[in-house]
Amino acid sequence: DQQVKQNSPSLSVQEGRISILNCDYTNSMFDYFLWYKKYPAEGPTFLISISSIKDKNEDGRFTVFLNKSAKHLSLHIVPSQPGDSAVYFCAATPTSGTYKYIFGTGTRLKVLA
Amino acid sequence: GAGVSQSPSNKVTEKGKDVELRCDPISGHTALYWYRQSLGQGLEFLIYFQGNSAPDKSGLPSDRFSAERTGGSVSTLTIQRTQQEDSAVYLCASSRTMGTEAFFGQGTRLTVV
Repeated sequence: DQQVKQNSPSLSVQEGRISILNCDYTNSMFDYFLWYKKYPAEGPTFLISISSIKDKNEDGRFTVFLNKSAKHLSLHIVPSQPGDSAVYFCAATPTSGTYKYIFGTGTRLKVLA
Repeated sequence: GAGVSQSPSNKVTEKGKDVELRCDPISGHTALYWYRQSLGQGLEFLIYFQGNSAPDKSGLPSDRFSAERTGGSVSTLTIQRTQQEDSAVYLCASSRTMGTEAFFGQGTRLTVV
């Protein structure tokens, strides 16, 4: 039972354009969401997070949008750069009860120069 | 230290041997998490600690896996009688408190031959 789903295993985007990565979740107890970037042979790097009390959070080129009614979140990267090429994971956790972060299976982003 | 530190970075072991993986979290972080990533897979939750106690061990794959945390700091993940299916990258993360962003180490790549 996959509680966090990233349905696109890969995405290619031209440099300078927008990258949109999507994530869906099923557990209504999740109220804190995170995005991580992972390069080969490295641990995941925290990018940006959002609490369920918000529907948008911005940090530089990265914006996360949360649609609670649809149980959907997305990460927008504008403008995309070749150095953004990596695997992106979304994660979700409740902030009461059990606190484990549940991760999606990842989306491999390739930004073409 | 500045970040989460894991050792060893690589471990090759013979099937049936025991291995111990170590994680040094970010100083002051009360929560600590263990995940593993098998080839081509997402991040699989194993266990998390709040202080020295482990409220959720539900992700440990079998009773050959155990983990402990002492002094609210260093954690060790022990795998007894290793099997080839245990081969994976084992990732440790820590967060300041429960339900805040978690920061990952670089992982330990375990290969069972």
